[in-house]
Amino acid sequence: DAGITQSPRHKVTETGTPVTLRCHQTENHRYMYWYRQDPGHGLRLIHYSYGVKDTDKGEVSDGYSVSRSKTEDFLLTLESATSSQTSVYFCAISGGKDRNYEQYFGPGTRLTVT
Amino acid sequence: SQQGEEDPQALSIQEGENATMNCSYKTSINNLQWYRQNSGRGLVHLILIRSNEREKHSGRLRVTLDTSKKSSSLLITASRAADTASYFCATDGNDYKLSFGAGTTVTVRA
Repeated sequence: DAGITQSPRHKVTETGTPVTLRCHQTENHRYMYWYRQDPGHGLRLIHYSYGVKDTDKGEVSDGYSVSRSKTEDFLLTLESATSSQTSVYFCAISGGKDRNYEQYFGPGTRLTVT
Repeated sequence: SQQGEEDPQALSIQEGENATMNCSYKTSINNLQWYRQNSGRGLVHLILIRSNEREKHSGRLRVTLDTSKKSSSLLITASRAADTASYFCATDGNDYKLSFGAGTTVTVRA
């Protein structure tokens, strides 16, 4: 999985609680992304980062925030989890030394909000 | 909103047959990529084709791109059980963000 880990891999949480998902890379890639995957929707971009402390919103950013204080870590926070945020979350990286556009994905985090 | 849309949504073929799936997109692109996702796993990059390329091969994969029709196809030849997966096209507009389609689920029967 190209040196990308996600934690936790599975989480069950209650509505209204904050949740933080972590993505860690060992590839020194510049760009990092958070997606959610839901049946029938493919992958939708939540937030992305183009450098340390540089982040921007994707198409489904409401209810989510991110932080990137180090090149290797990208955190996704659900400020107050809702049932509609039950999903599988994938982190991805790109922009390595070859500056290509391919993305490399982590193994995913399955989040259930009850 | 999704840029790419794959067709068909699902495909079932016999081992050894070829599998073809299509991707249509709406706006101009810099590159188009295809990814594979095995059940319960992250996506894996298969192939990238640039907007000035018409065809590209990688092993048993053949990708075509028709920018005038805003469409691409992925052909998997001589399919194997291990090709059972979902396949996604993704487009980028000269930045590092990708827009994914909803995918084609391919089942290869033994």
